[in-house]
Amino acid sequence: NAGVTQTPKFQVLKTGQSMTLQCAQDMNHNSMYWYRQDPGMGLRLIYYSASEGTTDKGEVPNGYNVSRLNKREFSLRLESAAPSQTSVYFCASAWNDYEQYFGPGTRLTVT
Amino acid sequence: QKEVEQDPGPLSVPEGAIVSLNCTYSNSAFQYFMWYRQYSRKGPELLMYTYSSGNKEDGRFTAQVDKSSKYISLFIRDSQPSDSATYLCAMKGSSNTGKLIFGQGTTLQVKP
Repeated sequence: NAGVTQTPKFQVLKTGQSMTLQCAQDMNHNSMYWYRQDPGMGLRLIYYSASEGTTDKGEVPNGYNVSRLNKREFSLRLESAAPSQTSVYFCASAWNDYEQYFGPGTRLTVT
Repeated sequence: QKEVEQDPGPLSVPEGAIVSLNCTYSNSAFQYFMWYRQYSRKGPELLMYTYSSGNKEDGRFTAQVDKSSKYISLFIRDSQPSDSATYLCAMKGSSNTGKLIFGQGTTLQVKP
């Protein structure tokens, strides 16, 4: 039982490049989430998916897109990376919104 | 003003001390109150959650919610060096939206 897994663990992009962050969970949770964590800002919700086939914007969705591929997988795409998107990205999943299980994170640097 | 305020610390205590971590909030609609622990370079893990007001105890950890003061606390008794981490409070209203509002976290160091 791996819980929530994320790939890659680290990534360096140049401004304007695109990439997709992958997330998968094996706990049969309906809800999945993408957060970014920046110093002094705490965790901020980018997008979430309450169930397969649905996605909704969170607090900071600009510059990102998501796909809920199936119940297990929820990907986050940066179409044209900007230095302001340098951050640590966490995926989470949950049966209910308040008991979220987090993955290990992806450290992204945009130069 | 942020919806959830949390002193970032750092907070340094000797092993065995009682630790008090706190958050204040402004949104009276919050009903669920969570505490997450995050070790360095790891993802957050849920320690405990409380619905509405009151206390909840789990081993050495006690969570308190005072909705009249919009103030929540996490107490750690007999603190251990392994408790050294960042503690994040998080809150949610009763609606079905997925949005948790997190504090910025308090960094705790427990010295042997």
